[in-house]
Amino acid sequence: DIVMTQSPLSLPVTPGEPASISCKSSESLVYSNGNNHLDWYLQKPGQSPQLLIYLGSFRASGVPDRFSGSGSGTDFTLKISRVEAEDVGVYYCMQTLQIPLTFGGGTKVEIK
Amino acid sequence: QVQLQESGPGLVKPSQTLSLTCTVFGGSISSGSYYWGWIRQPAGKGLEWLGRIHTSGRTDYNPSLKSRVTVSVDTSKNQFSLKLSSVTDADSAVYYCARAPPHHSFDSWGQGTLVTVSS
Repeated sequence: DIVMTQSPLSLPVTPGEPASISCKSSESLVYSNGNNHLDWYLQKPGQSPQLLIYLGSFRASGVPDRFSGSGSGTDFTLKISRVEAEDVGVYYCMQTLQIPLTFGGGTKVEIK
Repeated sequence: QVQLQESGPGLVKPSQTLSLTCTVFGGSISSGSYYWGWIRQPAGKGLEWLGRIHTSGRTDYNPSLKSRVTVSVDTSKNQFSLKLSSVTDADSAVYYCARAPPHHSFDSWGQGTLVTVSS
């Protein structure tokens, strides 16, 4: 199985400031067509996860442009340019290259 | 916009089979090229992918569940289902159903349903 490792586990943030989460995979997530099969999800308190970023860097429909995804191969980053109070929750990365699909352990973002 | 809703028993006895259904609203489960999948989350823990079925009928499962898991589709009811046999306490979790377009990312999720395994 591809192991997904996120850091940090917890991230206290100040509204208006930037934030960054790292996700590393045990194998390259690049498909033969050049796409990186890496997604980012946000699970707000008491809610289902929601898709933020797919294929490494594409924002899902309705996702604010303060969220951006970058990286390739085994190293990926989710950045929030200016954190808002509604961004609190647990962020997960997930690889969709290989069965079984696997998630990172999550990064809990909370307001300072 | 498609919406998904899980349903099924909230309590299952050890060694029995957990059965859940996901009803799809706002679109046909048999149209387009989608994966329909199941993910679970034990209390206070992370997410685990269980399995999926494609519009074509192809299925993929998490090997960690060995042969305990089955995902199927009932197009007449616009539903897909999860069966997990020989359950133990470790199978207690919130179970989510979700849809994935061809790039495989889950873009629509159900609200989740809590299943507790207990005698």
